[in-house]
Formats: sequence, structure tokens, C-alpha cells
Amino acid sequence: QVQLIQSGAEVVQPGASVKVSCKTSGYTFTTYYIHWVRQAPGQGLEYMGMIIPSDGGTYYAQGLQGRVAMTRDTSTNTVYLELRSLPSEDTAVYFCAREYPANNFFDYWGQGTLVTVAS
Amino acid sequence: EIVLAQSPGTLSLSPGERATLSCRASESVSSNYLTWYQQKPGQAPRLLIYAASRRATGIPDRFSGSGSGTDFTLTISRLEPEDFAVYYCQQFRNPGYTFGQGTKLEIK
Repeated sequence: QVQLIQSGAEVVQPGASVKVSCKTSGYTFTTYYIHWVRQAPGQGLEYMGMIIPSDGGTYYAQGLQGRVAMTRDTSTNTVYLELRSLPSEDTAVYFCAREYPANNFFDYWGQGTLVTVAS
Repeated sequence: EIVLAQSPGTLSLSPGERATLSCRASESVSSNYLTWYQQKPGQAPRLLIYAASRRATGIPDRFSGSGSGTDFTLTISRLEPEDFAVYYCQQFRNPGYTFGQGTKLEIK
């Protein structure tokens, strides 16, 4: 069965970096895009960007460009989200989700990773 | 960037009643590019409706979607206890696939 399993919760200091993983299984890794979405405590969903596992191509949402990097490892079918220079406002649950190209919906999601930015 | 405005912010209804949730886009969005999700506390969002009106696999037929252009609607015909949750619309017309701010459906 399709699974997206994310890494565990992180506590990081302001100004530091964090790297969250999303390990996929149950389907052909290079066939589907992986997107990242975050949700601050008590708030709505915010789209962050996407990676194309077949070639590593990426798109990042405007407000995050320069601080975010999405990468993939095709040997382990894993996608990574790295966020740098974290302010406290980046405290959120981070989700990965997959999309079949041009389907225009996310059909499977990871369980979420809580990143807390605090000193 | 396309902005999606959902209304109402909170909807208080009783089981068995009909729920109508709205999603209005700042620019025209092809119906192919409008998706609805349901989210319960502590869970990832769940796909409900894609292409504005097509139910995802396993979604009960009490959920329906409609609309075109800038105005879209999610309707739940008869609310079940498990339907009380937060609902989000999302557009896929432009990269930066924005979400609406959500409608919380609560038990009256």
C-alpha cells in the first residue's frame, strides 16, 4: 500500500536549520510529484512547494525562496525538506503529499512532522 | 497569486442537516483545478473532491462539489457525526497552489 512516512518531531533554535524527510513506498517513486504543505498551530494550510523526483526539478512558493531546499534520494525513495534561518514563525506541522502529474490533487499525505522553533 | 476566500469561517449545524460551504477565487479557476479536503484534529488532510465535482475514491455520495469560474461550493447533504471537521479548498491553476483559509464545521 502507498505510504509516506515522515521523520520525527524536531526542536530547533531560532536561526538554525532543519531537515525533514518523507520516505515513500508502495508505488513507483519517480512517477509522482511530492509537495510540501505546512500548518502553524491553530492555523490553515500553507503551500510550500514541490519536487519532481524523476529529475529533481523544484518549485518553491514565493515567500520561502532563498530559505528552502527540496531534494530527493532515488536510492531510498525519500524526499527531503530543508528550511534555513528559522524564525519562531516557522513553528508548524510540515506535511508531504504526492500528486500524479496534472491530476491537480494530493491523494496521499504523510503523517506530519512538528517543527518547533524555540530557544 | 490566486487568493481563495472560504465562507463562512465557522458553520454550526446538527447531524442530519445540510451543509453548504463556499470557496471564492480572486481570479477565474478552471473547474479542473479546484480541490476540496477535509481535516480532523491531529490528522493530515483527506482528499474529498477534485476537479470541482468529482468524488475521490471511498468518499460517500453525501459529499458533492459544484461551481466554476470564481465560485465553488462543497455540499454535504445530510451531516453525519464524523463530518464535523475543517474543510479546505485548493487551486491548482497557478504554481503556488494556494489553499483557502478553511471552514470549520462544528456541532450545534
